[in-house]
Amino acid sequence: QQQVKQSPQSLIVQKGGISIINCAYENTAFDYFPWYQQFPGKGPALLIAIRPDVSEKKEGRFTISFNKSAKQFSLHIMDSQPGDSATYFCAASITNAGKSTFGDGTTLTVKP
Amino acid sequence: EAQVTQNPRYLITVTGKKLTVTCSQNMNHEYMSWYRQDPGLGLRQIYYSMNVEVTDKGDVPEGYKVSRKEKRNFPLILESPSPNQTSLYFCASSGVGGELFFGEGSRLTVL
Repeated sequence: QQQVKQSPQSLIVQKGGISIINCAYENTAFDYFPWYQQFPGKGPALLIAIRPDVSEKKEGRFTISFNKSAKQFSLHIMDSQPGDSATYFCAASITNAGKSTFGDGTTLTVKP
Repeated sequence: EAQVTQNPRYLITVTGKKLTVTCSQNMNHEYMSWYRQDPGLGLRQIYYSMNVEVTDKGDVPEGYKVSRKEKRNFPLILESPSPNQTSLYFCASSGVGGELFFGEGSRLTVL
């Protein structure tokens, strides 16, 4: 049973456009919702994260929108750049248990 | 520099030959975990540890063992590797805040 569902699997966006990736979770015990960015040959690295007591968090061009009642959260990348081309993973964690569950990933390609 | 170090980065082995992938972190993190990454399946947690001598199964623990004898080290052991364990493996550590710090990955091929 997949606890975190991510969509789309792949996404192609023109430079300057908005990239949107969605995730849905099932377990209401999750208390930390990060997004990780992974470049080829590298390990994932934290991009931005949110906790369920807020509905939105913005860091530069990256925004997380969080809907607790719908158990959904999304990543918005504004003014997408070719350097944003990477694989993005959403995750849901129970922080005091050290347990994290990841979505399947989205491969983003930003065309110049 | 804060980092998670995995070794080896690349390994080709044969079915049944025991191997160990080492993982070490220098951030004094309580939590450590192992993931495997397969195309289309994302990152799946194999085992995790909340502190020394405390380990627990993740979502795909079959065929793997771990130990946490020291806070900084968390080796992954494949007692009898099989071809379905061919994958890209990541070790990660985290503090109480929840952010995972990943190693560079270990690509394992089992023939």
